[in-house]
Amino acid sequence: GDSVTQTEGPVTVSESESLIINCTYSATSIAYPNLFWYVRYPGEGLQLLLKVITAGQKGSSRGFEATYNKETTSFHLQKASVQESDSAVYYCALGDRGSNAKLTFGKGTKLSVKS
Amino acid sequence: ETAVFQTPNYHVTQVGNEVSFNCKQTLGHDTMYWYKQDSKKLLKIMFSYNNKQLIVNETVPRRFSPQSSDKAHLNLRIKSVEPEDSAVYLCASSYWGGAYEQYFGPGTRLTVL
Repeated sequence: GDSVTQTEGPVTVSESESLIINCTYSATSIAYPNLFWYVRYPGEGLQLLLKVITAGQKGSSRGFEATYNKETTSFHLQKASVQESDSAVYYCALGDRGSNAKLTFGKGTKLSVKS
Repeated sequence: ETAVFQTPNYHVTQVGNEVSFNCKQTLGHDTMYWYKQDSKKLLKIMFSYNNKQLIVNETVPRRFSPQSSDKAHLNLRIKSVEPEDSAVYLCASSYWGGAYEQYFGPGTRLTVL
């Protein structure tokens, strides 16, 4: 079946340091995968951070970037300089461009940024 | 306010009882979902509906039954709860089509004693 594997947390980094959260996917039943990063900030609901629906493209939001790499089946999340307000749980997710019937999520990575 | 609303926020019940969770979206979407987040924080799809039609029904025990009265509402009933049903249940909605993001409600935390 389809699956998503991401960096196991918790991850702790210092403010202004760089960050990478790894995400790889296996899309056995999906011909044209869509890739998403969702985020849950403390006390808030799950919300979209960024998405990319075309292989080779890069998505960006709030200083975060992720490139859809079809060859390595990866969608790593990166930020050059994190802030304390980035502390949250990040989820990589795999969708189906053909149907959008469901999202397959990774287990989530809890990020703590210390000042 | 346009969003996905869920009630109740929390529910504690005994093994064998029946529970119902409500979900309503005011975003004008035509597709709604139920996800389960277990104690290990793994988020898994249970059901999805498009225009009141069941589209996805993952391997979910038969005691779970979704109910859709219209495009804006998708409720979830659990007939006879078991301890492994303790989890957070998230409702989401979106437009039909793989490029659209899903919007999530705040979740309902169920504890089965």
